[in-house]
Order: sequence, then C-alpha cells, then structure tokens
Amino acid sequence: EIALTQTPGTLSLSPGERATLSCRASQSVSSSYLAWYQQKPGQAPRLLIYAASSRATDIPDRFSGSGSGTDFTLTISRLEPEDFAVYYCQHSGSSLLTFGGGTKVEIK
Amino acid sequence: EVQLVESGGGLVKPGGSLRLSCAASGFTFNNHTMNWVRQAPGKGLEWVSSISVSGTYIFYADSVKARFTISRDNAKNSLFLQMDSLRAEDTAVFYCTRVRFRAGSYYYMDVWGKGTTVTVSS
Repeated sequence: EIALTQTPGTLSLSPGERATLSCRASQSVSSSYLAWYQQKPGQAPRLLIYAASSRATDIPDRFSGSGSGTDFTLTISRLEPEDFAVYYCQHSGSSLLTFGGGTKVEIK
Repeated sequence: EVQLVESGGGLVKPGGSLRLSCAASGFTFNNHTMNWVRQAPGKGLEWVSSISVSGTYIFYADSVKARFTISRDNAKNSLFLQMDSLRAEDTAVFYCTRVRFRAGSYYYMDVWGKGTTVTVSS
C-alpha cells in the first residue's frame, strides 16, 4: 500500500512569497495518477492539479505541479490572500486511493 | 451546472446504520466512476469507496470494508453509501466526488459535493 507524506506540515509565508509544497510517495508511482487539491475552512476540497502537472479548469497559472517517481511538488509562485488554505496530494492506485496528510499554508 | 448534493447524514448511535445519498446533476452520471471521501473533524481527507460506471468494480478502504456498501442508480443519477455497524471513528463529513479517468493518462476527482455530516455517538 502506497503512503504519501507531505512536508512541511505547516508553511508560514507572506502574500507575494513563493510556496513550495512536497509530497513523497513510499514507492514509485505513476505521475499520471497524482493530483493536488486545495481546501479552505468549511469548504469541500477543490482540484488544482492532475497528472502531476496539468492545471485543472480555471486554476490560475501561479499554481504549478511537477515531479515523478516518488517526489512531487506543488508550487505557488506568488501567494495571493485567497491561497492560504490546506493542500493535499492524492494518488490513485489500482484498487485504492491515498491522500497525503496535508500542508497548511498560513499567513506569516 | 454540474452539481453533487449529498444527504442522509445525522446523529446515530454506535452499532447503528445510516444511508447516504448523492444526487448528481448537470452531467452524464453514467459516464463516470464515483467515489466517497470522508474527513473526520480537524483531520485530513480519507478515501472511503469507489464504484465504476456500471457498478462492476467496487473498492473499499480497509477501515470500512465489510461494514459499508456503495451502490448507484444510473437511472436516477444517484450514488449511495449504506453504512452499518457504525463506530465513533466513522464520525466525519462525507463527500461524494466525480471521477475523471483515462487509463495511463489520468485519474482525479474534479467535482465534489458540499458534504454531509455523520456523527456516531451515544
């Protein structure tokens, strides 16, 4: 069973700064099945990135995803006030789905 | 508008049962695999179960296997989750999600409902 570890647990940054979020898989996974979601308090998660690097519909280009094998990264180039939220990576295997524990991006 | 609306949550005693529903609209329901994902209070996301388009392929997380049953009614654009033998640790918001899948290319959940809250407590 694949485990996803997200680091850091919390990222304290100021608006305008660059955010780099990491997602590490316990074994090599297909980047085709790696996605990232954003969740704000009291809201359902929202798809940001699929297939490791493809932006979902209406997602601003300040969000980008990269990586392969066991190491994946979500980058927010310049944080906007609405970007402070929790971010989850997620992998889809042959018969089960796994989420990382999440990274909270908070205002410094 | 593409939409998923969950219902059926509530307060139930340990050992009890509950049936969640998810009404889909704005898209061709029988073209999509569907999932249930839950989130315990203050915790992260946990996948619960998946069902393929025709219901042929069904998968469960180990934490709910043999207690939860996923099903769908394509004629009524509806997804269900029958939850039996409920435990305190099943307390969570349950989300219904739409899957986009192409073998070898992508698998992701692009539409989420707002969720329905299940509380298991005596």
